[in-house]
Amino acid sequence: QKEVEQNSGPLSVPEGAIASLNCTYSDRGSQSFFWYRQYSGKSPELIMSIYSNGDKEDGRFTAQLNKASQYVSLLIRDSQPSDSATYLCAVENSGYALNFGKGTSLLVTP
Amino acid sequence: KAGVTQTPRYLIKTRGQQVTLSCSPISGHRSVSWYQQTPGQGLQFLFEYFSETQRNKGNFPGRFSGRQFSNSRSEMNVSTLELGDSALYLCASSLATTPAEKLFFGSGTQLSVL
Repeated sequence: QKEVEQNSGPLSVPEGAIASLNCTYSDRGSQSFFWYRQYSGKSPELIMSIYSNGDKEDGRFTAQLNKASQYVSLLIRDSQPSDSATYLCAVENSGYALNFGKGTSLLVTP
Repeated sequence: KAGVTQTPRYLIKTRGQQVTLSCSPISGHRSVSWYQQTPGQGLQFLFEYFSETQRNKGNFPGRFSGRQFSNSRSEMNVSTLELGDSALYLCASSLATTPAEKLFFGSGTQLSVL
């Protein structure tokens, strides 16, 4: 069974701080990794994708990938209350299917 | 450009009944995927269709089936409903020229089985 693991949280950070979200996966053959954000009562939306080891930055978001450790992370700098949501880590699974973690709930407090 | 449209938004059924959910992808997207979301299991992959062909299927019983039409619209069917089928069913579309394409999700169909 291919697994994607995330701490459920909630992770609480003060406004302006860095939020660090982590994810581990079991399938060493996985090549594509994604972070989706899901607001309560809404559908998931893609915020970052990463395919090679290292860091990828997009605005306030940085995704980090370490395939040797089977570890993906998402950093959110200058966290805002509007970032409060559930963050889903997703790993490509056998082509054209994503294996999702159960998500980490993030709460940014003013 | 219209997003992914799922109908109906809410459904209430009783055990043993069957249900059909509909999904219209973003114009130009030929891939449609279906996911089940529950509080306990999170998002789980059901199946993916591209140009009317199922390319991948998740680990769900045969009561769950789907199809895609020539206009890329897709339906999924659940027969002999069980209480555990109560969930949010999400459809996602993508260009899917590669496995790593971005998925665009619809608002989902909330199914309650009584």
